[in-house]
Amino acid sequence: DAEITQSPRHKITETGRQVTLACHQTWNHNNMFWYRQDLGHGLRLIHYSYGVQDTNKGEVSDGYSVSRSNTEDLPLTLESAASSQTSVYFCASSTSGRYNEQFFGPGTRLTVL
Amino acid sequence: AQSVTQLGSHVSVSEGALVLLRCNYSSSVPPYLFWYVQYPNQGLQLLLKYTTGATLVKGINGFEAEFKKSETSFHLTKPSAHMSDAAEYFCAVSGNQGGKLIFGQGTELSVKP
Repeated sequence: DAEITQSPRHKITETGRQVTLACHQTWNHNNMFWYRQDLGHGLRLIHYSYGVQDTNKGEVSDGYSVSRSNTEDLPLTLESAASSQTSVYFCASSTSGRYNEQFFGPGTRLTVL
Repeated sequence: AQSVTQLGSHVSVSEGALVLLRCNYSSSVPPYLFWYVQYPNQGLQLLLKYTTGATLVKGINGFEAEFKKSETSFHLTKPSAHMSDAAEYFCAVSGNQGGKLIFGQGTELSVKP
């Protein structure tokens, strides 16, 4: 069965370190998204991609970057981790079009000390 | 621009009682609307969606929602709550391009025995 996976599921790091969160989908979806979930804020979009070599900034992109070299993967990099980036991160994917649902990964809980 | 407001960050009902979770949206284009559910320590999964056509949409687990354009609302209901319905529920509207979703802040549903 097709799926979307994230790794690691839990990560503890120190302020200033570079961290990369992996997202891999086997749906063959063009669209991929990264969100962060914080209490009281729901899900906020960090970055998104509509296809290979395409990346776009979301509403909370400062301090994060992504690259899309193939259809299956959209890794999220925190260039220099900050305590404010402690959060739960979700990756999602979908086919093209406004009416298509997004399929979510299980999430990565990141703690920055 | 699109936005979503979920009224009530926490709703508590008794088992067997009606569940009503409120969602109002703002959209500059005809809206596509979604309800997602998140069980503890899991990713989001789709409950139901409205694209076009019938304004009463039925989803999984006995949930349904009605699109009311005049009230810019898409409230989620279930006639009889079950303990297994305890979760966080998110309303979302599709953005005006591609597959972006704008999420509400979420409503946590508690079900009392």
